[in-house]
Amino acid sequence: QKEVEQDPGPLSVPEGAIVSLNCTYSNSAFQYFMWYRQYSRKGPELLMYTYSSGNKEDGRFTAQVDKSSKYISLFIRDSQPSDSATYLCAMSADTGNQFYFGTGTSLTVIP
Amino acid sequence: GAGVSQSPRYKVAKRGQDVALRCDPISGHVSLFWYQQALGQGPEFLTYFQNEAQLDKSGLPSDRFFAERPEGSVSTLKIQRTQQEDSAVYLCATCGTENTEAFFGQGTRLTVV
Repeated sequence: QKEVEQDPGPLSVPEGAIVSLNCTYSNSAFQYFMWYRQYSRKGPELLMYTYSSGNKEDGRFTAQVDKSSKYISLFIRDSQPSDSATYLCAMSADTGNQFYFGTGTSLTVIP
Repeated sequence: GAGVSQSPRYKVAKRGQDVALRCDPISGHVSLFWYQQALGQGPEFLTYFQNEAQLDKSGLPSDRFFAERPEGSVSTLKIQRTQQEDSAVYLCATCGTENTEAFFGQGTRLTVV
């Protein structure tokens, strides 16, 4: 079993839809959680960073962490065609520890 | 520079050739990670440096892989006697001292033919 599980999709939604992306994990020591966006042939770009449980909002993006369920989510409101990319979740147990990534979910927002 | 810089962006190597991939971190970032990303997969950890010290190299797939960061800034990932299975994107990421937010470079796409 991988440390982090993420549905690879692909996910296709119409413009303006709310998108929900999720990851589950097995290591209860994880306490730092990140979401990255990766366009084709580019490096991952940090979108959201959350420490421990709770919600964090930044513009159209909301990250949620539920440590009791070992489940994290990223919501994208009013999705745009420019949001079309692969979304990677990542997590680590402590500062300086390696980050464990999901496989990424491919998202296409159709105009 | 403003971000993590990696070079070359693309590298084609003949099987058996040695390659060296370079990472220029964000100025002042003490933590540096190397990751390998196969097509359609998430990045997989290779090795981690804190300043010049290599604290974790558990992800290096074989003794053909070697990484260094002699002055605690620029890092080089070297792959000796490249094999076709080494074909992947090699990503470098760095973190500052205060948090674990990791910023990635654009990666080096290695193709072994």
